[in-house]
Amino acid sequence: GESVGLHLPTLSVQEGDNSIINCAYSNSASDYFIWYKQESGKGPQFIIDIRSNMDKRQGQRVTVLLNKTVKHLSLQIAATQPGDSAVYFCAEKGAGGTSYGKLTFGQGTILTVHP
Amino acid sequence: DADVTQTPRNRITKTGKRIMLECSQTKGHDRMYWYRQDPGLGLRLIYYSFDVKDINKGEISDGYSVSRQAQAKFSLSLESAIPNQTALYFCATSGPSGSNNEQFFGPGTRLTVL
Repeated sequence: GESVGLHLPTLSVQEGDNSIINCAYSNSASDYFIWYKQESGKGPQFIIDIRSNMDKRQGQRVTVLLNKTVKHLSLQIAATQPGDSAVYFCAEKGAGGTSYGKLTFGQGTILTVHP
Repeated sequence: DADVTQTPRNRITKTGKRIMLECSQTKGHDRMYWYRQDPGLGLRLIYYSFDVKDINKGEISDGYSVSRQAQAKFSLSLESAIPNQTALYFCATSGPSGSNNEQFFGPGTRLTVL
């Protein structure tokens, strides 16, 4: 999972496998948690979000799980493809006060999919 | 055409120089953001603007200033660049917070300060 530091966590999988990327967040008051994908040489791209009052949300080939008890977020990618190779960031959106509407990003996880 | 554009895409400058990075968007969004990305540190918010008359400091605003010239334009300035401002800079836009969590990012500006 993601943690403070200079070396990004990495995950290597074979094409067709399922991938699970983890993230620990810090702010219990965040109202949304969001996953972004960043391909080499590009800006981050939104994948999926989940509201803080939910514990699971599914999209196309992706599922996000939220465990508020342990402040843990995960992104599951089904049938991973080479095009899924990228850096994945979790982000939390502030619900109020000075954090309202702002995103705080995690460190990122590098996913490499081998053909 | 790209919805969020940034100029320049790459810039090499010297310590003490003034630098401006520009961002334009055609999405019609009110909210715009500037982030910097450093290896292993993710994206950190520098400044953000929720409408033309609104400017707010982010997590790491020291050494930077911004100008929101119009709804579609948000520029970031380094008044006196220093080497530790060498980074990848991203502009982003979004719709109103209550309805849309998606931020749309530009392609980035790679800045090197020698």
